[in-house]
Amino acid sequence: QKEVEQDPGPLSVPEGAIVSLNCTYSNSAFQYFMWYRQYSRKGPELLMYTYSSGNKEDGRFTAQVDKSSKYISLFIRDSQPSDSATYLCATRLNSGGYQKVTFGTGTKLQVIP
Amino acid sequence: DAGVTQSPTHLIKTRGQQVTLRCSPKSGHDTVSWYQQALGQGPQFIFQYYEEEERQRGNFPDRFSGHQFPNYSSELNVNALLLGDSALYLCASTSMSAYTEAFFGQGTRLTVV
Repeated sequence: QKEVEQDPGPLSVPEGAIVSLNCTYSNSAFQYFMWYRQYSRKGPELLMYTYSSGNKEDGRFTAQVDKSSKYISLFIRDSQPSDSATYLCATRLNSGGYQKVTFGTGTKLQVIP
Repeated sequence: DAGVTQSPTHLIKTRGQQVTLRCSPKSGHDTVSWYQQALGQGPQFIFQYYEEEERQRGNFPDRFSGHQFPNYSSELNVNALLLGDSALYLCASTSMSAYTEAFFGQGTRLTVV
């Protein structure tokens, strides 16, 4: 079983739609949860970062973590064509002088004008 | 702030050759991690360097080695290249003590022919 599972999509939505992206993880020791956006042939860009269960909002983006069910989500409101990219969820564990970041496979999102 | 810089951006090598990729971390960061991202996949952790030592290693063979310099920059070396080593190689930097989030460079796209 992969430590972080993510539906690879692709996901295609019309402009203005609400997008829901989801991941599950298996290791309850994971402490931090991130969402990265990656445009084609570019490095991942950090979008959202959360530590505890609950919601964190930043503009049109909301990250949600449910540690009890090991489920993390990213919601994008009023989606725009410029949001078309691959979205990677990631978890982080700090332990014994190193940081382990584990990524999902990424969900490819296309927002159609 | 220059962020994380990687060089070169693109590289073509022949099977069996050796390659060295370079990374300069974001200002204030002291920890460098390397990832391999195959087409359509999430980044896979190769190893992490902190205080010029390899602190953690993913499931990669010994053909993959690295180094960190006193100025925190890092190199990734791959020997005896295989066709399957063709991928985007990403460098991410963070601060071990401050628990800051990882910032990625734009990556080096390696093609092995």
